[in-house]
Amino acid sequence: QVQLVESGGGVVQPGGSLRLSCAASGFTFSTYGMHWVRQAPGKGLEWVAFIRYDGSNTYYADSVKGRFTVSRDNSKNTLYLQMNSLRAEDTAVYYCAKDRTTVVTGTYFDLWGRGTLVTVSS
Amino acid sequence: EIVLTQSPATLSLSPGERATLSCRASQSVSNYLAWYQQKPGQAPRLLIYDASNRATGIPARFSGSGSGTDFTLTISSLEPEDFAVYYCQQRSNWPRTFGQGTKLEIK
Repeated sequence: QVQLVESGGGVVQPGGSLRLSCAASGFTFSTYGMHWVRQAPGKGLEWVAFIRYDGSNTYYADSVKGRFTVSRDNSKNTLYLQMNSLRAEDTAVYYCAKDRTTVVTGTYFDLWGRGTLVTVSS
Repeated sequence: EIVLTQSPATLSLSPGERATLSCRASQSVSNYLAWYQQKPGQAPRLLIYDASNRATGIPARFSGSGSGTDFTLTISSLEPEDFAVYYCQQRSNWPRTFGQGTKLEIK
C-alpha cells in the first residue's frame, strides 16, 4: 500500500524542540525527493522544506531556515524534520509529501500523509 | 519569492454548473504550476501539474490552462464531491509557494 505516515507531533513550549518522522511504504523511497508542508489552523498551505532523493541537497522556507533541519534515512524509508527554537507561529499540521518525479528536483506533491499536529504553546 | 494570488476567495455554485478558478503569479512561472484540492480534515490531493496535465486518477471534468503569469482551473460540471478548497502551487523558483486558496461552496 502506497502511503506516508507522520508521527512525532505534540505540544511543546516556545523555544523547545521536536522531531517529526514520516514513514514511507509502497514505493521506492530512495528514488524520490521529499517535502514537508504545513498548514496552520484554518489557514492555507505553506511549503516548509525539501530534501533530494539521496539527501545531498536541501531547501527551506525563509520562515524556518536556521531552525528546522530535514533529513532522511533511506535504509529505513523514513523522512525527518528536526524543529528547534519553536515559535507560536509554527503551530500547524505538518504533512510530509512525496515529489511527483524522480527526474527533476522538487516539483509537485503527488502523495501526502495525513499530517501530524504541532502545537507551540506555554 | 513568487507570490500566487487566487481569485475569487470564495465561489458559490450549484452542482452541474461550470467552475472557473484563477491563479496569478507575481512573475512568470512558465507552465510550472499545479492545482490541489483539499477537503475538510483531509490532506490535499494533486489534480493538475505543469499547468494542464491531469494527475493519475483525476476525472476529465477537471482541466487546467495558462502559462506565464495567468492560470485557470476549470471544472466542467460540478459534482457534489467537488466542493472543497483549491490551491495553486508553483515549482519555478525556490521557495515553492502556494496561493491562498479558493473555497468552492454549494450555492
